[in-house]
Amino acid sequence: RKEVEQDPGPFNVPEGATVAFNCTYSNSASQSFFWYRQDCRKEPKLLMSVYSSGNEDGRFTAQLNRASQYISLLIRDSKLSDSATYLCVIGDSSYKLIFGSGTRLLVRP
Amino acid sequence: DAGVIQSPRHEVTEMGQEVTLRCKPISGHDYLFWYRQTMMRGLELLIYFNNNVPIDDSGMPEDRFSAKMPNASFSTLKIQPSEPRDSAVYFCASSDREDSWGEKLFFGSGTQLSVL
Repeated sequence: RKEVEQDPGPFNVPEGATVAFNCTYSNSASQSFFWYRQDCRKEPKLLMSVYSSGNEDGRFTAQLNRASQYISLLIRDSKLSDSATYLCVIGDSSYKLIFGSGTRLLVRP
Repeated sequence: DAGVIQSPRHEVTEMGQEVTLRCKPISGHDYLFWYRQTMMRGLELLIYFNNNVPIDDSGMPEDRFSAKMPNASFSTLKIQPSEPRDSAVYFCASSDREDSWGEKLFFGSGTQLSVL
């Protein structure tokens, strides 16, 4: 079993749609959780951290479920510019980061 | 702030040749990381440095790979000899925090390596 698993997609949605991604992790001792965004042929960049209480940043909402060992990302009112690959990133107890392989999102006009 | 700078952006070489990738971290960042990204395996940590000292090189795939950080502003990743399976995008990243790298990890633009 992979340490971090994501549905590779692609998720193909129309503008304005709401889309959600999940990511499961295997290490119950994981300490930190993040979503990164990677545009085609670009470097990954932090989108948002994921806190135990959940957090929201504009149209983006991230949640953590420790019991079931997954994190989620919800994007509301999708924009064309949201088209990218979203990487789930998990930090273990030594702060080492494990990256998922990513979920590709395509937002169509 | 210029960000993390990597060179070259693209490298095409033939099997058996030596390849050297270069990285300049963000000034003041004590941690430097080398990652490799492929379609099959995603983004993998190869090695990281703290204050120019290699801390964890468990991700380095083989002895053909070596990394150095002679000073706080420069690091190299060398592959000798290169093989076609080394073809990937190699990212360098830096951070100034140990307690939450995920929030303060900045990547360079990467080097696209193709070994023919």
